[in-house]
Amino acid sequence: EDKVVQSPLSLVVHEGDTVTLNCSYEVTNFRSLLWYKQEKKAPTFLFMLTSSGIEKKSGRLSSILDKKELFSILNITATQTGDSAVYLCAVENSRDDKIIFGKGTRLHILP
Amino acid sequence: KAGVTQTPRYLIKTRGQQVTLSCSPISGHRSVSWYQQTPGQGLQFLFEYFSETQRNKGNFPGRFSGRQFSNSRSEMNVSTLELGDSALYLCASRDLSGANYGYTFGSGTRLTVV
Repeated sequence: EDKVVQSPLSLVVHEGDTVTLNCSYEVTNFRSLLWYKQEKKAPTFLFMLTSSGIEKKSGRLSSILDKKELFSILNITATQTGDSAVYLCAVENSRDDKIIFGKGTRLHILP
Repeated sequence: KAGVTQTPRYLIKTRGQQVTLSCSPISGHRSVSWYQQTPGQGLQFLFEYFSETQRNKGNFPGRFSGRQFSNSRSEMNVSTLELGDSALYLCASRDLSGANYGYTFGSGTRLTVV
């Protein structure tokens, strides 16, 4: 059965710190790995990763995928209070297009 | 382009009742998926519909059912509600014909069973 494990489950840091969120996965037919940010209700899309070693970047956020070791990291530099959210990692199975989510990492940024 | 619309936003029901939630996908998206989100379990996949047919199903009891209409709008139904069904129910749509298979989520329906 496909599985996504995120760590840590929660994290509290101070504004300005850099954080690294981890996502490991097991999937029978890998198509992509997705990162989402969930602040109140609707998760919003951050990145889709399909190839190993290619960093995706958006402002202070970046992510990279390692398909050999089956994990991805999401980095946030110079954190701000607005980065406080639950960050969700998901993998997509190419056999049935199913997307399975991890339990998320709850990030809290202290001012 | 309008986003994914879920109604109602909030719902309070009594144990044993049934409930129907509605989801209108982004225009042109023919795939609609439903997830249940609880603090302990995260997002758990319920089912996915594409062109009025259920493509995938998660590990939920038969009390959870869904359907999709010809305009791609989807409904999910939960019968004989239990206290443990209290959760945020998220609907997500995607364009399976495009290069980006990622979801766009709606804001969810918060269901409380008392």
